[in-house]
Amino acid sequence: AQKVTQAQTEISVVEKEDVTLDCVYETRDTTYYLFWYKQPPSGELVFLIRRNSFDEQNEISGRYSWNFQKSTSSFNFTITASQVVDSAVYFCALSEDPNTGNQFYFGTGTSLTVIP
Amino acid sequence: DAGITQSPRHKVTETGTPVTLRCHQTENHRYMYWYRQDPGHGLRLIHYSYGVKDTDKGEVSDGYSVSRSKTEDFLLTLESATSSQTSVYFCAISTKGRTQETQYFGPGTRLLVL
Repeated sequence: AQKVTQAQTEISVVEKEDVTLDCVYETRDTTYYLFWYKQPPSGELVFLIRRNSFDEQNEISGRYSWNFQKSTSSFNFTITASQVVDSAVYFCALSEDPNTGNQFYFGTGTSLTVIP
Repeated sequence: DAGITQSPRHKVTETGTPVTLRCHQTENHRYMYWYRQDPGHGLRLIHYSYGVKDTDKGEVSDGYSVSRSKTEDFLLTLESATSSQTSVYFCAISTKGRTQETQYFGPGTRLLVL
């Protein structure tokens, strides 16, 4: 079973529209971390945010915001007033058992295209 | 910038040829990882290391071996490359504070096995 599910494979929006990327995770651990990474067309993986399981506060960083809800095992990512530079593949990831530095589990990614 | 470099950045090889990819970090991180990225699969862990000479298998380790003789270098070897190993390979390091951990990635290596 997938530990991280990103059901949206591809999304297209027109510039300045808001867009939400969904991420649903599965874990039995009480301590875990959730992440979002961005992969622009140039190919590098850029870290965006980390959230630990004890902190359900939503976070806003400029046009980016994240909604963490343990009740639904979701960690959704919203881009407000999208721009062409937001076009990228976005990955959600889960890290369990942080004390051992064990592996991350990545979703399959959502490809976002922002049309000018 | 977590000081991670990968070499080579691009490689074309033939089936049956051994291939070694190198990941180098400059910040003395204990944990290092090798992933492969394929369409429809996201990133999948191949092997990881939690110290010099300490390595373990990930989800897709068959056909791959790793070595870590120095903290700064983590090598991924394809003993006999196959076309199914055509992929983009990413190295990552893990920064661990007391209560948090994040993985930062190298620039990737595009490998084509003909």
